[in-house]
Parts: sequence; structure tokens; C-alpha cells
Amino acid sequence: EPEVTQTPSHQVTQMGQEVILRCVPISNHLYFYWYRQILGQKVEFLVSFYNNEISEKSEIFDDQFSVERPDGSNFTLKIRSTKLEDSAMYFCASSGDSRGINTEAFFGQGTRLTVV
Amino acid sequence: AQSVTQLGSHVSVSEGALVLLRCNYSSSVPPYLFWYVQYPNQGLQLLLKYTSAATLVKGINGFEAEFKKSETSFHLTKPSAHMSDAAEYFCAVGGVSGGYNKLIFGAGTRLAVHP
Repeated sequence: EPEVTQTPSHQVTQMGQEVILRCVPISNHLYFYWYRQILGQKVEFLVSFYNNEISEKSEIFDDQFSVERPDGSNFTLKIRSTKLEDSAMYFCASSGDSRGINTEAFFGQGTRLTVV
Repeated sequence: AQSVTQLGSHVSVSEGALVLLRCNYSSSVPPYLFWYVQYPNQGLQLLLKYTSAATLVKGINGFEAEFKKSETSFHLTKPSAHMSDAAEYFCAVGGVSGGYNKLIFGAGTRLAVHP
């Protein structure tokens, strides 16, 4: 079964450093998303991406965040200068093929980011 | 705007007992509703979804949920709990348009199953 894969599974970084979280969405999907889950809290939408541009973003997704699809398979989330409060599990998801039939979002296993 | 409220952050049941996890939604458009399960240190797995077809939806692992528009609810049930059902459960609302499916999640309910 097709799946969304995320790397690394766990990343530890020092405050102020840049991190890039990587995702490989399901190959024929058109919409890509990043979500965040701070420990013990709900899963929060960060951003969606379609046709090589951001289609929607939340208030959380400020100027320190950026997303990119550098090639035909990867989808990345960059945090420019990490803060302690960026420590969370980050989930990538994808949905929607060209027929518009897939009605669910498929999630990756997540990357646990720890900022120290 | 869309939102989800899950009543009860923690639910504890005995093995073999009925599981009932509550979810109420708010949506200005016909909603698509989802239940996801998260096992410890794992990602989100889709349990079931309501996409405007049958109001009683059956999912994996014996779970089902009923969409009740009059009550704006989408409660998750399972007749007989198993130890392996212990996990966190998230209700989510989305409005699917041409495959776009941004989700708004509830706060989650942690289910504990004891012998």
C-alpha cells in the first residue's frame, strides 16, 4: 500500500539552528500538508501546498517557516531559526489524485523535533 | 469556519466493555468527518471516514461511527474493547474539494483499556 514517508524520525537541534524536515508524499497525490503536534496537545494544521505554491497557511506558519518541493518526490519543511517552542512532532500528509477521488489524507509517521 | 470538540480527554474501560468516544463538530459547509488513531510513538492512522454517503460508517478494528446532523455529532463506538485498542483517538473535520483535504483536529481522547 502506498505510504507517506518522513525523515528523520527524530531530530535534535540547538536553538537558533536551521532544520529541514523531509517528506515523500504518495506519488500521485497533488496536495501536501504539514501539521504539528506539541507534546500532549492537539494536531494543528500548519500549511498546505498545491501546484508548487502554498495554498493555505495557519497563523503558526510565520516567516521562520518555509516549504518547498525541490524535485518531483520530496516535500520539505524548513524552520530557519529554531526556538524551544518549536519542539513538537511534525506530520506530513498528502491527498487527492488527479481524479479527485481520494477523499482522505494519508499521514506519515512523523518527525519528532527536539530543540535544546 | 470548522471546529471539533472531543468530550473527555481520558476514557477508561474494561476489556470487553463498550467503547464510546464523543465528537461534536461545527461546520458552515457539509462536513467530511474522520477518526484517526495514534498509537504510542507512531503516526496517525485513519480509522474511518464520513463523506456524505451512509450515516453509519464502519472502520477498521471493529470501530464504527454514526453521523447525526441534528446533533452535530460523530461519536466513535466499538462493542467490545480489546487491550490493543489503548491509544489516542482524534476526531477531525475537513471539507474535501477536488481532493484538497485540510483537517481540523479535536484535542484527542486517550483510551485506556484495563483487564
